[in-house]
Amino acid sequence: GAVVSQHPSWVICKSGTSVKIECRSLDFQATTMFWYRQFPKQSLMLMATSNEGSKATYEQGVEKDKFLINHASLTLSTLTVTSAHPEDSSFYICSARPGTDNSPLHFGNGTRLTVT
Amino acid sequence: GENVEQHPSTLSVQEGDSAVIKCTYSDSASNYFPWYKQELGKRPQLIIDIRSNVGEKKDQRIAVTLNKTAKHFSLHITETQPEDSAVYFCAAPQVYTGNQFYFGTGTSLTVIP
Repeated sequence: GAVVSQHPSWVICKSGTSVKIECRSLDFQATTMFWYRQFPKQSLMLMATSNEGSKATYEQGVEKDKFLINHASLTLSTLTVTSAHPEDSSFYICSARPGTDNSPLHFGNGTRLTVT
Repeated sequence: GENVEQHPSTLSVQEGDSAVIKCTYSDSASNYFPWYKQELGKRPQLIIDIRSNVGEKKDQRIAVTLNKTAKHFSLHITETQPEDSAVYFCAAPQVYTGNQFYFGTGTSLTVIP
C-alpha cells in the first residue's frame, strides 16, 4: 500500500517553455503532498507543501509564480515549472503520507528535468 | 524551517563492520524521525523510523536511537554488506507548520568488500 506515482520520469525541454509534473496517490487520499527538489549529490530540499483545495505553501526562496502547484483532488497534485531555464534542471520528487502526521512519507519515482 | 544536521557526509567501512550516522534537529516539538536510503537515480526508501515515545528501535541489522533531550538521533547498521552502499538521509518534521519533513544533508556510505 501507500503508492505514489509520478509522471513523467524524465523530460527534456527548451529554455522558456513550461513543464508539468504529475503526482498521484494511487491507493490512499492525500490532503497534503510535498514537492522536493534534489540537485546532484545533494539533499532533498523542500520546495512547497501542496494543500488540496487551497493554495500551496512555499518555502523561503522558492518562487511561487515560477513553480505553480495545483492540488485539485485528494489524489492528484501537479507542479508546473514555468519559463524553464537551465538552472531549473534538477530531480523533482513528490511525496505524500496516507495516515496521520506522525507517519512516513512515501515518494514518487521522481522526475529528471533537463532544460536545454 | 526545521534545521536538520547530519554527520558524517561520507563514510567508508569494511564489510562486516558497523556504521553509525548521526543527526540533530532543532524543533523540540518534533515527534517522528525516519531514515531513508537512496540509491543513485532512485527515490528515497524508508528503512526505519522512530517515534518520540521510545528511545530505540531495531529491525534486524538496522537500529535507530533517539535522545529527545539532546535533540539527536542516530542510525546504526551492523554487519554491513556491500548492498548497504547508498546515500542515507535522516528527516524530522516541523510540527507547527504542518509536519513538513526537512532532510539532513545525507551520508554517502560505502561498504568495502
